[in-house]
Amino acid sequence: EVQLVESGGGLVQPGRSLRLSCTASGFTFGDYAMTWVRQAPGKGLEWVSFIRSKSYGATTEYAASVKGRFTISRDDFNTIAYLQMNGLKTEDTAVYYCARGLLGNSHYYFDIWGQGTLVTVSS
Amino acid sequence: EVVMTQSPATLSVSPGERATLSCRASQSVSNNLAWFQQKPGQAPRLLIYDASTRATGIPDRFSGSVSGTEFILTISSLQSEDFAVYYCQQYHYWPRTFGQGTNLEI
Repeated sequence: EVQLVESGGGLVQPGRSLRLSCTASGFTFGDYAMTWVRQAPGKGLEWVSFIRSKSYGATTEYAASVKGRFTISRDDFNTIAYLQMNGLKTEDTAVYYCARGLLGNSHYYFDIWGQGTLVTVSS
Repeated sequence: EVVMTQSPATLSVSPGERATLSCRASQSVSNNLAWFQQKPGQAPRLLIYDASTRATGIPDRFSGSVSGTEFILTISSLQSEDFAVYYCQQYHYWPRTFGQGTNLEI
């Protein structure tokens, strides 16, 4: 069964750091891109970050709201995608989902999603 | 960035009826458009990609189409399990952007 499981969320003070993990199973992790999408309480979906597979240079993309503060990375041996979040702000409070990126006609869409992990930034 | 605008914000329909949800992009995104369903407390679920291709395991009552610059999600005969929030998302440009969602309610 293809599965993504997020972990690492919790309550953190503004300005502090947190690292989220997304553990994959049921597919060849190294062949796929991965992404993070978040959802603030009661709000819609906001794309956060993306990393291509090593075959495509493991290059990354970021939303303007997190660029310079968040870093996405991957560990293909352990089939984990990470989101390192530094300088957290109250507006970063959200459920963070990881999803698999599938390459269609030269563009990536997100087909499999994890159940999410809640990050609360508050003093 | 590309702004995705969904309408209506809320759609009230009855089981067995047909639902039509709309999504417009502020600029052309070709057919790089996906639809997701999200139920309370759950992760989004991919329904449609490439504007009109159903994802694996999605019932054929869900269909996607394009009319000019408008993307349409049609649910032909609503089942009780279809009542949820639906999001469109473009994957042509970075940053990827989502519509604000349509709440499909009874």
